[in-house]
Amino acid sequence: QITLKESGPTLVKPTQTLTLTCSFSGFSLSTPSVAVAWIRQPPGKALEWLAVIFWDDDKRYSPSLKSRITITKDASKSLVVLTMTNVDPVDTATYYCAQWIPSGTPGEHWGQGILVTVSS
Amino acid sequence: QSVLTQPPSVSAAPGQKVTISCSGSSSNIGNNYVSWFQHLPGTAPKLLIYDINKRPSGIPDRFSGSKSGTSATLGITGLQTGDEADYYCATWDTNLSAGVFGGGTRLTVL
Repeated sequence: QITLKESGPTLVKPTQTLTLTCSFSGFSLSTPSVAVAWIRQPPGKALEWLAVIFWDDDKRYSPSLKSRITITKDASKSLVVLTMTNVDPVDTATYYCAQWIPSGTPGEHWGQGILVTVSS
Repeated sequence: QSVLTQPPSVSAAPGQKVTISCSGSSSNIGNNYVSWFQHLPGTAPKLLIYDINKRPSGIPDRFSGSKSGTSATLGITGLQTGDEADYYCATWDTNLSAGVFGGGTRLTVL
């Protein structure tokens, strides 16, 4: 059974750095073709793809956020971490991690999501 | 502004059929696979279609996917009130080297 779960702060102040952790089970990020992505949804807005990290440590980022986000993995601990610097209230959103499928989109396994509010 | 264009809303009566379009370009839909997700408030998005027209286990055949050129379509037949949700298309954009989502379509079952 594959599960993913996001964890991290639910309230951060503007200009701070946000660190979110995705803990997963049921698959290994050391296995070829496996990947994990981060997606977010601001309140009342559409889903937005943020980043993906592959089993071989290849990483891809949203062009609009590339300068502010970093994705890393610890395959031995089944963790993927998303770091976002200099957060702003517009970064308020529900953040999801999801297993990535080879065809280049999220698959059927997602975390429950974590609502992060950026406010002073 | 999303890279993929979806109609903001569609509606149909129970039992009827509806289609949701997703328009892109040669750098995304035109040369890559498409997935479709159903999203209900407070829940994680649910994969309905992947690889353009494949359904994960447990997804009824009322849901179908297709692609023509740089556009993809999600079809839902036998509409039920439980189908009311937001629907998103997603694919990979080769030029951006990034994943992309459509802007989402709100389905109302009248």
